[in-house]
Amino acid sequence: GAGVSQSPRYKVAKRGQDVALRCDPISGHVSLFWYQQALGQGPEFLTYFQNEAQLDKSGLPSDRFFAERPEGSVSTLKIQRTQQEDSAVYLCASSPTSGSFNEQFFGPGTRLTVL
Amino acid sequence: GQQVMQIPQYQHVQEGEDFTTYCNSSTTLSNIQWYKQRPGGHPVFLIQLVKSGEVKKQKRLTFQFGEAKKNSSLHITATQTTDVGTYFCAVNNNDMRFGAGTRLTVKP
Repeated sequence: GAGVSQSPRYKVAKRGQDVALRCDPISGHVSLFWYQQALGQGPEFLTYFQNEAQLDKSGLPSDRFFAERPEGSVSTLKIQRTQQEDSAVYLCASSPTSGSFNEQFFGPGTRLTVL
Repeated sequence: GQQVMQIPQYQHVQEGEDFTTYCNSSTTLSNIQWYKQRPGGHPVFLIQLVKSGEVKKQKRLTFQFGEAKKNSSLHITATQTTDVGTYFCAVNNNDMRFGAGTRLTVKP
């Protein structure tokens, strides 16, 4: 079956541009997570959805970051007025149950480069 | 959120040698997960440990959860070149906190 997919796989943005990153979780998965992974670091938690409800957004680094999952399936992470420090790989993961207490299935990530 | 310290940061071994990475927390953990990320790839779930003192094996990989549930280890016996990658521990409290990872390289 299909795994988690993300698009685009690569995105180059000029500083100040807005970007939108898409995540298609595994069908039927309740939980969806977004992470930011800088080069050589572990994934850093950004936000968590249970179905369409955003239950935790404590990891979003600033109000320029916004995530949504309006129908409880596809999710979009939007970054407004991108800055160079936003350059990283953005990973999406989904899980069949609520919470993060079970296996998470990661997508391939979107590599964002802000010039 | 909970913080986890993972050591070592890097480990370079000769093929056939053993490898161990450690994950330590200052607070008691409800559970811990381990992930492997190949170079250029994404994290892939390996295992979850829940019980105090738990030991689980997957072929050449042995995972342990400390008695106090504050530390965990991943041990690989007789490493192979296919073991190359970064190994992360991850703990959760609704969010998920990853360790910094141990990058393993294996010389054939």
